[in-house]
Amino acid sequence: AQSVSQHNHHVILSEAASLELGCNYSYGGTVNLFWYVQYPGQHLQLLLKYFSGDPLVKGIKGFEAEFIKSKFSFNLRKPSVQWSDTAEYFCAVNPNTGTASKLTFGTGTRLQVTL
Amino acid sequence: GAVVSQHPSRVICKSGTSVKIECRSLDFQATTMFWYRQFPKKSLMLMATSNEGSKATYEQGVEKDKFLINHASLTLSTLTVTSAHPEDSSFYICSASPAGSSGNTIYFGEGSWLTVV
Repeated sequence: AQSVSQHNHHVILSEAASLELGCNYSYGGTVNLFWYVQYPGQHLQLLLKYFSGDPLVKGIKGFEAEFIKSKFSFNLRKPSVQWSDTAEYFCAVNPNTGTASKLTFGTGTRLQVTL
Repeated sequence: GAVVSQHPSRVICKSGTSVKIECRSLDFQATTMFWYRQFPKKSLMLMATSNEGSKATYEQGVEKDKFLINHASLTLSTLTVTSAHPEDSSFYICSASPAGSSGNTIYFGEGSWLTVV
């Protein structure tokens, strides 16, 4: 079974600071990797995903993530955060089987951006 | 784009009653849907995999007799919380992938807030 670890539980940054949120997964085969954002009181939104090809993935709102296979990592980055990025961020993984498979989520990282 | 709709978005029910939550794929067919549960300020935990035309597959620790899942058509899965108790209060979310797509195309519903009083 797969598992996901997000080591940063709560991150506080000032506006314009750079962001990197860690995500490591455990699974013996190939995987699909996802980052989701959940703004306060709202539902999940997909930021970006990786399933094959270029390991550097660019998503919405200026976010990007890099899949490093040797490290089983898929860290999320943004060069300059904004106050509106305050939200909960979830990394998730599912086996790349070519069919629908269940997602396993990390525990989430709460990002707080101060003005 | 593809949409997954959940209904109701919010529901309050009395302890001991049952409540049904629907998950619909609006413009695609889904042979498999997934039900997750999210406690306040916590992550999403998979409850069960809903399979069209067959029994759902429940995760360890999830009571199948309490959380009844029915996937009667390719566009609809329902989750019924039976004999609800206050500890069942939570945010329930479904997801679906278009039939024939790979596992990296996933659409989430907006979620359903259940409050049991």
